[in-house]
Amino acid sequence: TQLLEQSPQFLSIQEGENLTVYCNSSSVFSSLQWYRQEPGEGPVLLVTVVTGGEVKKLKRLTFQFGDARKDSSLHITAAQTGDTGLYLCAGEETSGSRLTFGEGTQLTVNP
Amino acid sequence: EPEVTQTPSHQVTQMGQEVILRCVPISNHLYFYWYRQILGQKVEFLVSFYNNEISEKSEIFDDQFSVERPDGSNFTLKIRSTKLEDSAMYFCASVWTGEGEQYFGPGTRLTVT
Repeated sequence: TQLLEQSPQFLSIQEGENLTVYCNSSSVFSSLQWYRQEPGEGPVLLVTVVTGGEVKKLKRLTFQFGDARKDSSLHITAAQTGDTGLYLCAGEETSGSRLTFGEGTQLTVNP
Repeated sequence: EPEVTQTPSHQVTQMGQEVILRCVPISNHLYFYWYRQILGQKVEFLVSFYNNEISEKSEIFDDQFSVERPDGSNFTLKIRSTKLEDSAMYFCASVWTGEGEQYFGPGTRLTVT
């Protein structure tokens, strides 16, 4: 059974600070997706990384896929209160297969 | 922008009753999935569906569960005899091809009393 561990589980920072959250596994994934989830709603896709070592930027968010495709990180620059939410990573073992989700990082950005 | 829709948004049922959760995937998508999330826990895979048959299922997806694509647009999850532990958010997801990104619906909150 593939497992994804996210850290930290909770993160509370001040507006304007930078932060990084991590997603780690002992298994190799063909792709890894990052989602953001608000309470009572479905996960909303942020980005997909596919190639080992890949870096993708989405405005103030930078996503990296590890060289061995076992881990990933999400870096947020100059966090805003609107970034508050639950960030989930999810790995796909092979194309079209199930997603294995991590437990998530609950981010709170304080004004 | 196309999106996955789910109905109802909230379903309350008594233990032992049958429920059907409905999903309308994005129109040109070919792969469909059901996941669930028990309150405070992580999202868990239930089943995937392609070409009118189940392609993969988890150990959670036992004989009490079934899926169907009754027409060209709907994708349903049926729980035959609900248990208290079936209370969760149920999410439908779809993807265009096997290599695409899964897009999730807003979920149905199922409460079994």
